[in-house]
Amino acid sequence: DQQVKQNSPSLSVQEGRISILNCDYTNSMFDYFLWYKKYPAEGPTFLISISSIKDKNEDGRFTVFLNKSAKHLSLHIVPSQPGDSAVYFCAARGTGGYQKVTFGIGTKLQVIP
Amino acid sequence: GAVVSQHPSWVICKSGTSVKIECRSLDFQATTMFWYRQFPKQSLMLMATSNEGSKATYEQGVEKDKFLINHASLTLSTLTVTSAHPEDSSFYICSAPGTAIYEQYFGPGTRLTVT
Repeated sequence: DQQVKQNSPSLSVQEGRISILNCDYTNSMFDYFLWYKKYPAEGPTFLISISSIKDKNEDGRFTVFLNKSAKHLSLHIVPSQPGDSAVYFCAARGTGGYQKVTFGIGTKLQVIP
Repeated sequence: GAVVSQHPSWVICKSGTSVKIECRSLDFQATTMFWYRQFPKQSLMLMATSNEGSKATYEQGVEKDKFLINHASLTLSTLTVTSAHPEDSSFYICSAPGTAIYEQYFGPGTRLTVT
């Protein structure tokens, strides 16, 4: 049972435009949602998070929106830059502690110069 | 930020042999480390939580006798895949918790191919 779903395996966006990466989840007990970015041959790096009690968190060019009623979150990158090209993982933390993080399969973003 | 390294980055072994993967925290101490596995077109799946000085905690469905975890120091955890089979071929990645309760620092991963 895939509790965190990223239905788009890939996304291409023109430089300067907005990138929107989507994520759906099924477990209403998740209390934190996270986005990780992964470059080839490197491990995922933490990008941004949002608590389940909030609906928006912004950090520079990155904004995460959470819609609890729809069990949906999205990551907005604006403006998109070629260096943003990477695989983005959506993840969610359950109430079992920080080790109980469930990951989506990732979305590969390509920002075209 | 904190750096986690893994060695080797890739390994090919024959069926029936054992393979050890190392995970090191380079500039910080980690009493806990996590081991994940990722099969193609699937998500990162937590295999086990490695605890310094004590036994690892395995997730449901992960054979503890097959995936031996040793966390002998505050900077090193090892995962040994014993009697490897082709179905163990996967991408293995470790992580250590960061200062924020929801944050983890990941290693670059190890690609294991069992022939």
